Amino acid sequence: KNQVEQSPQSLIILEGKNCTLQCNYTVSPFSNLRWYKQDTGRGPVSLTIMTFSENTKSNGRYTATLDADTKQSSLHITASQLSDSASYICVVSEKTGANNLFFGTGTRLTVIP
Amino acid sequence: DAGITQSPRHKVTETGTPVTLRCHQTENHRYMYWYRQDPGHGLRLIHYSYGVKDTDKGEVSDGYSVSRSKTEDFLLTLESATSSQTSVYFCAISEREEETQYFGPGTRLLVL
Repeated sequence: KNQVEQSPQSLIILEGKNCTLQCNYTVSPFSNLRWYKQDTGRGPVSLTIMTFSENTKSNGRYTATLDADTKQSSLHITASQLSDSASYICVVSEKTGANNLFFGTGTRLTVIP
Repeated sequence: DAGITQSPRHKVTETGTPVTLRCHQTENHRYMYWYRQDPGHGLRLIHYSYGVKDTDKGEVSDGYSVSRSKTEDFLLTLESATSSQTSVYFCAISEREEETQYFGPGTRLLVL
């Protein structure tokens, strides 16, 4: 069964600290993996996308990694800011030609001053 | 929100009444999607469209229908709303099937 699991479910960190969010998946055949950021009351916004051959992708203070062998991805946030408080959703695409995206339930990050 | 609007943004309705949610885009993207988001679940696909009058079912399509008569508009209809359809509904668009989806601001629906 194709699944995407994220950990932790929630995380509280101090402003300025770094953190790492995890995503494990069983989706196969794999096409790509995306990380989205969802602010409260808003729709998700894409942060990064990685295909099978990419193992690192950065977007400002956000760096995503992918290990396609172990089917794991992480999102590292550097020097966190209050505006980083949001849910971060891992989305894995299946390579079937049909529209098959598998969404994780997200990690709720709270950055406190 | 990438040229995507959803209306209404909030709605309260009673069980058994029909409800239509509208998604409007100004990006001229071919693909449009309807998702629902519930606590403890990832976003789940209800229906999607790959062109005018071309639609297909998603994972949780029961109780929902869609229509797309113009490129820019994608309507989601709950023929007879039930309390289990209380949720936040998101519309998304993409230029091609495998490309990044851009999400609208969401519609919060409460069915009493």
